[in-house]
Amino acid sequence: EIVMTQSPATLSVSPGERATLSCRASQSVSSNLAWYQQKPGQAPRLLIYGASTRATGIPARFSGSGSGTEFTLTISSLQSEDFAVYYCQQYNNWPFMYTFGQGTKLEIK
Amino acid sequence: QVQLQESGPGLVKPSETLSLTCAVSGYSISSGYYWGWIRQPPGKGLEWIGSIYHSGSTYYNPSLKSRVTISVDTSKNQFSLKLSSVTAADTAVYYCARDKSSGAVADWGQGTLVTVSS
Repeated sequence: EIVMTQSPATLSVSPGERATLSCRASQSVSSNLAWYQQKPGQAPRLLIYGASTRATGIPARFSGSGSGTEFTLTISSLQSEDFAVYYCQQYNNWPFMYTFGQGTKLEIK
Repeated sequence: QVQLQESGPGLVKPSETLSLTCAVSGYSISSGYYWGWIRQPPGKGLEWIGSIYHSGSTYYNPSLKSRVTISVDTSKNQFSLKLSSVTAADTAVYYCARDKSSGAVADWGQGTLVTVSS
């Protein structure tokens, strides 16, 4: 099973600053990686798929990069609505298996 | 625009079977794509349970495979989850979702909390 590890567990950033979230896979997942945003009481929202492609309606301040085992989600200038929990997900063995990271909580500094 | 809505009992007794249904509107399941279930224990992360292709092929998380059944009813445009022999560890918010044949899940239901307790 591919294990996804996100870091840090919690990230404190001020509004307007840049946030960088990391996700590492225990083995290569090529570019088969997605990022999701989840706010309290809501379902996750797809932000990025294919490691770097923004989903429909996602603002340009969200960007994804990486391939293989190391991935990064960058939010260029944090808005108040961006403070949430972020999950990465690999789907390299799709449709046989999907696994999620444990999440990074992005909080206001 | 597709909408997914979970329904089912919010409380299940230990050792019994958890049963949930996801009603789909705005898209015909028989037209394609993968339909699945993902859960989230309170305060914890996301776990994929399994998926079903519109034709009926199923794919399950190996850690849950012995207890999970996902089925589809195209006549009612809905799909269902059954999880047997539940314990307190199965207490979670259960989401139904649509995967547009890419692996990334763009469409989610609102989620339903299922508590396992006597």
